[in-house]
Amino acid sequence: EDQVTQSPEALRLQEGESSSLNCSYTVSGLRGLFWYRQDPGKGPEFLFTLYSAGEEKEKERLKATLTKKESFLHITAPKPEDSATYLCAVYNNAGNMLTFGGGTRLMVKP
Amino acid sequence: EPEVTQTPSHQVTQMGQEVILRCVPISNHLYFYWYRQILGQKVEFLVSFYNNEISEKSEIFDDQFSVERPDGSNFTLKIRSTKLEDSAMYFCASSEDGQGWEQYFGPGTRLTVT
Repeated sequence: EDQVTQSPEALRLQEGESSSLNCSYTVSGLRGLFWYRQDPGKGPEFLFTLYSAGEEKEKERLKATLTKKESFLHITAPKPEDSATYLCAVYNNAGNMLTFGGGTRLMVKP
Repeated sequence: EPEVTQTPSHQVTQMGQEVILRCVPISNHLYFYWYRQILGQKVEFLVSFYNNEISEKSEIFDDQFSVERPDGSNFTLKIRSTKLEDSAMYFCASSEDGQGWEQYFGPGTRLTVT
């Protein structure tokens, strides 16, 4: 059974204070790893897809990286508007569904 | 920018009643999904749908649930006889292709069963 674990559960940062969110996964044949942002009461918003170890993707202040066992979402000089829950999810080779982690709730204070 | 839409945004129903949640996926997408998120818990897969049939479903998706694409644009989730534990946010998603393609989610329908 696929498992996705995210840490920390919650993270408080000062504006400008860079940090990383972790997503550890156990999957029977990784087909893709996805990062989403979720604001309260809203649907997940797609950020990145990573397909193979060593791959990196960037978007504004966010950078996602992938190894064979985990992915990191690096946030550089965050702003208050980056406050949200960040979700990690995986596709395996057999299934046509996403398995989600529990998310990291990021709070950035001005 | 194309987006997935869902109606209603909030549905309140009594236990035992039937509800239908509606979704309009992105127009050129071929795969459709329903997920749910109970308050404070993970997003959970319910069902995927392709070529007018269910391609995969989870253990949660029992006989009380059904999905349908009644026309060329809508995708619906029906819960036949709602239970208190069905209270959750229900998200529709769509993707251009299956198995590894990014899924785009709608804003969700909050279902409250009393």
